[in-house]
Amino acid sequence: QVQLVESGGGVVQPGGSLRLSCAASGFTFSSSGMHWVRQAPGKGLEWVAFIRYHGSDKSYADSVKGRFTISRDNSKNTLYLQMSSLRAEDTAVYHCVLSPSGWRFDSWGQGTLVTVSS
Amino acid sequence: QSALTQPPSASGSPGQSVTISCTGTSSDIGGYYYVSWYQQHPGKAPKLMIYEVSERPSGVPDRFSGSKSGNTASLTVSGLQAEDEADYYCSSYAGSNSVVFGGGTKLTVL
Repeated sequence: QVQLVESGGGVVQPGGSLRLSCAASGFTFSSSGMHWVRQAPGKGLEWVAFIRYHGSDKSYADSVKGRFTISRDNSKNTLYLQMSSLRAEDTAVYHCVLSPSGWRFDSWGQGTLVTVSS
Repeated sequence: QSALTQPPSASGSPGQSVTISCTGTSSDIGGYYYVSWYQQHPGKAPKLMIYEVSERPSGVPDRFSGSKSGNTASLTVSGLQAEDEADYYCSSYAGSNSVVFGGGTKLTVL
C-alpha cells in the first residue's frame, strides 16, 4: 500500500531555512506527480507546491514563490521541500501528497510540523 | 489564487442528507472538471472522497456524491452517519499547474 513519510520539521527562527523530506513507497514514485500541502494549526488546507514525475515541471503557491523549492530524487523515491526566508505564517503541518493523475490528492502522509518562532 | 468559498458549518440528523457548497470562479471551478472533496477527522490526514466533480475512489461509500453547476460545486452526504462528522474541504485546479482549496466546512451529525 502507499506510504508517505515526512521528516525534517522542527522549530526555526524567522528568516531561517529548513529542508523537508518525504520517503515514498508502495507505488511507482518515478511515474507520479507529487505535491506539498500545508495546514496551519486550527486552519484549513493550503496547496504549496507541485512537481511532475520527471521533476522538470514545478509550480508554487504565490505565498511561497521565490522562497520554497520543490524537488525529487526518483532514484531514492524521495520528495523534498527546501524552505528559506521562513516567516511566522509558514508555521504549519506540511503534508506530502501523491497525485498520480489529474489534479486530485490520492494519498497523504501524516505530515511534519514546522514552527517558525523566535 | 484566492481560496474557494465554503460555509463554515453544516449539520444534519442521522439518516438525513446534507449538501455542502463550494463557490469559486470561472478561473477554477467553472473552468475545469478537476474538483475534489476531502474528509478530515481531527488529528488525521485528509482523505479523498470525490474527484473530477463526481467520481468516487474505491472504498468510498456511495452515500457521498458530487456535482457542479457553473462556478459552484457541491458535496452531498446522504443517509448521514455518526462517522461522517468531520471537516470537509473542496479543491479545484486553477490553471498554470496550481490548485486552490476551500476554507473547509465542519459537518456536525446531530
